[in-house]
Parts: sequence; C-alpha cells; structure tokens
Amino acid sequence: EPEVTQTPSHQVTQMGQEVILRCVPISNHLYFYWYRQILGQKVEFLVSFYNNEISEKSEIFDDQFSVERPDGSNFTLKIRSTKLEDSAMYFCASSSPGQDTNYGYTFGSGTRLTVV
Amino acid sequence: RKEVEQDPGPFNVPEGATVAFNCTYSNSASQSFFWYRQDCRKEPKLLMSVYSSGNEDGRFTAQLNRASQYISLLIRDSKLSDSATYLCVVALAAGNQFYFGTGTSLTVIP
Repeated sequence: EPEVTQTPSHQVTQMGQEVILRCVPISNHLYFYWYRQILGQKVEFLVSFYNNEISEKSEIFDDQFSVERPDGSNFTLKIRSTKLEDSAMYFCASSSPGQDTNYGYTFGSGTRLTVV
Repeated sequence: RKEVEQDPGPFNVPEGATVAFNCTYSNSASQSFFWYRQDCRKEPKLLMSVYSSGNEDGRFTAQLNRASQYISLLIRDSKLSDSATYLCVVALAAGNQFYFGTGTSLTVIP
C-alpha cells in the first residue's frame, strides 16, 4: 500500500532555531497538506498545496511558516524561529480526490517536534 | 463556534458490545465526511468515508443525516483491537482542508 513518508520522526530544537520537516507524498497524488496536533488536542489544519502553490492556509500558518516542493517529490514545512508552543506532532498528508468528493487523505506517521 | 463536535467519551465497553458515536458539524455546505481512527501517538488512519445513503464495512456502519448535520458510526461485535480514538472529519469539498473533531475515545475491555 502506498505510503506518505515523513522525516525525521522526532526533532528536538532550541527555541529560536529554524527547523525543516520533510515529507514524501504518495507519488500520483496532487494535493499536499500539513496538519499539526498538540499533545492531547485535536488535529489542526495548517496549509494545503496544489499545483505548486498554497491553495488554503489557516490562521496558525503565519509568516513563521513556509512550505516548498523543491524537487517534485519532497514537500517540506519550514518553521522559522521556533517557539515553545510550536511543540506538536506535525502530520503531512496527500490526496488525489478527482471526482470523488469522499476521497480521504493518507497521513504520514508524523514528526514529533519538541522545542526546548 | 466549533466546526465539528464530538462527545470525547471515554467509552469503555466489553468485548462483543455494540457502540455508537455521533458527531455534529456546523457548516451545512460540507460535502465530504469521514471517520478516521487514531491510535495513541500515531497518525490518523482512514476508517471509512460516509455517504448520504449510509455505508457499511464489515462491523462498521456509518450514517449521514444532512438535515440534522450529524454523522454516526456504529461498531458491532467490538474487538480489543478497536480500542482507539475515533475522529469525525468534515470537509467542504474534495481537496479542501479537513475539519477534525476532538475525537471519541473507545476502550474495549476483555
């Protein structure tokens, strides 16, 4: 079964540092997403990416965040100047809904980011 | 206002029991509905899509009531391996962001 791959599985960083979270979506998928889940809380949308540009973003996705698809296979989330409250599990997802409105996402196994 | 609301539980049921979860959503224009399952510290995994006519997958049955804006999930003959958090997920359309409920915790007891 095709998978979404995320690296690293766990990242510890000092407050104020920049981190890049990496994802390899499923190869024939067209939509890519980043979500985060703070421990004990619900999964929250950050950003969606389609046709090489951001298609939708949430209030959480401010100037501190950026996404890139640098080489046609990787999809990265960069967090500049990390804050303690950025500590969370970050999930990448991809989908290829086509005409099916009920085509769900496939999530990667997540990167646990700990800001100290 | 929460986009998607679920009873967080926890639901503790014996093996073999039938358990039902409900979820309500606020945006009547929503078009895509799902139940995801999340194990502790793992990623959400698609359990099933929810169609207007209702759909069944083995021991799992999902229903959608557009008029009342709620979605349900019924699990029959619960197994120990069903223990997880069940996430109700709604989207306006394919490709749009998913709105997640906070999840309903289920523990199936031997």
